[in-house]
Amino acid sequence: NAGVTQTPKFQVLKTGQSMTLQCAQDMNHEYMSWYRQDPGMGLRLIHYSVGAGITDQGEVPNGYNVSRSTTEDFPLRLLSAAPSQTSVYFCASSYWKLSGYTFGSGTRLTVV
Amino acid sequence: GQQLNQSPQSMFIQEGEDVSMNCTSSSIFNTWLWYKQDPGEGPVLLIALYKAGELTSNGRLTAQFGITRKDSFLNISASIPSDVGIYFCAGQEETSGSRLTFGEGTQLTVNP
Repeated sequence: NAGVTQTPKFQVLKTGQSMTLQCAQDMNHEYMSWYRQDPGMGLRLIHYSVGAGITDQGEVPNGYNVSRSTTEDFPLRLLSAAPSQTSVYFCASSYWKLSGYTFGSGTRLTVV
Repeated sequence: GQQLNQSPQSMFIQEGEDVSMNCTSSSIFNTWLWYKQDPGEGPVLLIALYKAGELTSNGRLTAQFGITRKDSFLNISASIPSDVGIYFCAGQEETSGSRLTFGEGTQLTVNP
């Protein structure tokens, strides 16, 4: 049981490049979310999903896309990277909407 | 959007001391969660609270769901060096479905 797995752990992008941050969970959780963490700002919700085929925007969705074709996977796509997207990105999953989320170990992204 | 005010932002204490931190919101929450984040890792759930007035313990940690449903506190008794990290509160509003809102975090330093 690996929990929530995020890849890659580190990534450097040039401005304008696109990439996909991968997230997979093996706990059969319906609820999945993406957060970004910036110094002094806590964690801010980017996008979330309440099940396969269902996604919605969070607090800071601009510049990011998501899809949920399977229960296990919830990739986050950066369409055209900007320096403002330099951050640590966390994926999280939960089996019930009111239960605590389990977090992955994060992807540290730098956009130059 | 919803804001959670978490205080204090940082604490520097001696080993063996008790610690208290709290969160307040402008809206009513259905759920309060407390997480701890170690450097380079994702947040880990410490305590989940589901009812107003609920008091829950996890070892040396105790958390309470405020009666007004707009606040929560976390106490750590007899602190030890491994308590060092960032502590986050998080909550779910009645109307937010599965979305979590996070506080900005309390950075705890424990001096041996």
